[in-house]
Amino acid sequence: EAQVTQNPRYLITVTGKKLTVTCSQNMNHEYMSWYRQDPGLGLRQIYYSMNVEVTDKGDVPEGYKVSRKEKRNFPLILESPSPNQTSLYFCASSWRGRGHTNEKLFFGSGTQLSVL
Amino acid sequence: LAKTTQPISMDSYEGQEVNITCSHNNIATNDYITWYQQFPSQGPRFIIQGYKTKVTNEVASLFIPADRKSSTLSLPRVSLSDTAVYYCLVGEDTGRRALTFGSGTRLQVQP
Repeated sequence: EAQVTQNPRYLITVTGKKLTVTCSQNMNHEYMSWYRQDPGLGLRQIYYSMNVEVTDKGDVPEGYKVSRKEKRNFPLILESPSPNQTSLYFCASSWRGRGHTNEKLFFGSGTQLSVL
Repeated sequence: LAKTTQPISMDSYEGQEVNITCSHNNIATNDYITWYQQFPSQGPRFIIQGYKTKVTNEVASLFIPADRKSSTLSLPRVSLSDTAVYYCLVGEDTGRRALTFGSGTRLQVQP
């Protein structure tokens, strides 16, 4: 089954403790992205990747890191989480990259992160 | 970056047709318009996509006027299960590929 898999589904942590949220897709998609969703603010893009070893900042990248060493994986790293990073996070992928705007994004089920 | 504007919320009853309009005045020539549906605590799901005029699939129709500065998602005969948030997204073809969602329209369908 074609899907985007995020783990964990729920995560509670404390301020300053490094964490990684994993994202994997099995559709051979070139494009992958991370979003955070907060009440009243919709989905805001954190980072995106056009292909392996190619990443770029979205609208709200501060406090986050990503890497794209393999095509299927795009982990989101919080080196020193803070309470304002408490949010619902979504990973997404699509198979079209540069030069295409008509891609269809596939989303994961989300990771609810709470930073105490 | 093409900014989108949608109504914050809409109410409807089962069996009615619902039309949600999205404004995107700065849409670029190569941009497509895509609509997503999101249920609580789930990731958004693709509904429909179009470039101009009208597109229809088994779920919805999308109407885009000639100037492409707005689009209307039409949901025929909604049911309770159509209660969700609907997002309009306009693609960006600058190579940067930043895709920004707006706040979406929360549709509440009543029995």
